[in-house]
Amino acid sequence: QSALTQPPSVSGSPGQSVTISCTGTSNDVGSYNRVSWFQQPPGTAPKLIIYEVSNRPSGVPDRFSGSKSGNTASLTISGLQAEDEADYYCSSYTSSSTYVFGTGTEVTV
Amino acid sequence: EVQLVESGGGLVQPGGSLKLSCAPSGFSFSGSTVNWVRQASGKGLEWVARIRSKAKNYATFYAASVKGRFTISRDDSKTTAYLQMSSLKTEDTAIYYCTTDLVPGAWGSFGPWGQGTLVTVSS
Repeated sequence: QSALTQPPSVSGSPGQSVTISCTGTSNDVGSYNRVSWFQQPPGTAPKLIIYEVSNRPSGVPDRFSGSKSGNTASLTISGLQAEDEADYYCSSYTSSSTYVFGTGTEVTV
Repeated sequence: EVQLVESGGGLVQPGGSLKLSCAPSGFSFSGSTVNWVRQASGKGLEWVARIRSKAKNYATFYAASVKGRFTISRDDSKTTAYLQMSSLKTEDTAIYYCTTDLVPGAWGSFGPWGQGTLVTVSS
């Protein structure tokens, strides 16, 4: 199972919006609405920010939103803030009943 | 604060074995799936294995990279999950995290996350 494909880095100014793509195949992203997104600031453990494509856990700001089209999922961060600087990873359930993570994207504000 | 606490990491020689443990603090995960995820230094996240609840017959699933070498298990009476690692390779060197379903019943809602336990495979 190959890792899902994400851009290595994206950047934006405070207040702007950035979108991170996560491209898989018909065996994972394309077949299941089971895509999650995680935020990992440097030196810390990951934190869930989106699950099942577009749902936010309690406490996650609504600046974070998720969507999916075909084999590609996306995470949009609106109103970018300095505290959003981190690595972001997507993950998806697969047809093998396993999970696969994306390659990771570094967000710079 | 709810969190998961991993333990059992350390230095092991190639070909050796190690058993990791994972216990929740502040909550119970007896009815939830438990996953292990690893991260090599400076690298991305890699899903390793998961074990479902008693209601789902403790079904287990593994990443291709560890299948046949790693075994995930759980003891709900001790509220602990385990990852038995055998035939270890240098490429298994990583921080190992355990995580469960932050949102009950939601697929892939991995959380909370502990600080992980470091496994180093080296001669």
